Amino acid sequence: NAGVTQTPKFRVLKTGQSMTLLCAQDMNHEYMYWYRQDPGMGLRLIHYSVGEGTTAKGEVPDGYNVSRLKKQNFLLGLESAAPSQTSVYFCASRMDRGAEAFFGQGTRLTVV
Amino acid sequence: DAKTTQPPSMDCAEGRAANLPCNHSTISGNEYVYWYRQIHSQGPQYIIHGLKNNETNEMASLIITEDRKSSTLILPHATLRDTAVYYCSYNDMRFGAGTRLTVKP
Repeated sequence: NAGVTQTPKFRVLKTGQSMTLLCAQDMNHEYMYWYRQDPGMGLRLIHYSVGEGTTAKGEVPDGYNVSRLKKQNFLLGLESAAPSQTSVYFCASRMDRGAEAFFGQGTRLTVV
Repeated sequence: DAKTTQPPSMDCAEGRAANLPCNHSTISGNEYVYWYRQIHSQGPQYIIHGLKNNETNEMASLIITEDRKSSTLILPHATLRDTAVYYCSYNDMRFGAGTRLTVKP
């Protein structure tokens, strides 16, 4: 039981490049979330999903897209990376809206 | 905007109780209050949650006021390993800036 796994753990991108971050959970959770955390700041919700095939915008969705084609995976895409997207990205999942959430260990992304 | 308000930082002596407050005046009647903590730059870790009644588990206690507009997380005997950023949240999984708790020897 691996819990929540994020891939990759580190990445450096050039401005304008694209990439996809993968969040995988093996707990059969319905709800999944993507956050970004800038230095010294709290977590800001980017997008979330309440079930397979669904996605919704969070607090800071601009510049990101997401997909939830399979229940266990939640993908975060950057189509054209910008230096302002340099951050640590965290994924989380939980069984339902009232349950505790489990977080991944983060992806440290640097855009140069 | 974050709907929870927490002090940015607090200190606590090792072995003493740490009491971390959170104001959540906009919470609705069926929303739970959740507490998580983040040690260094690791992924946040769930601590405890509650609706109306006080809750206790092996990690902490949660005291929720009768009007539910605020709560207090209590670490009864803080250790150096409890140094972390503590976040309170609702069911919507949005977080504020949290409280940085430093436990000192």
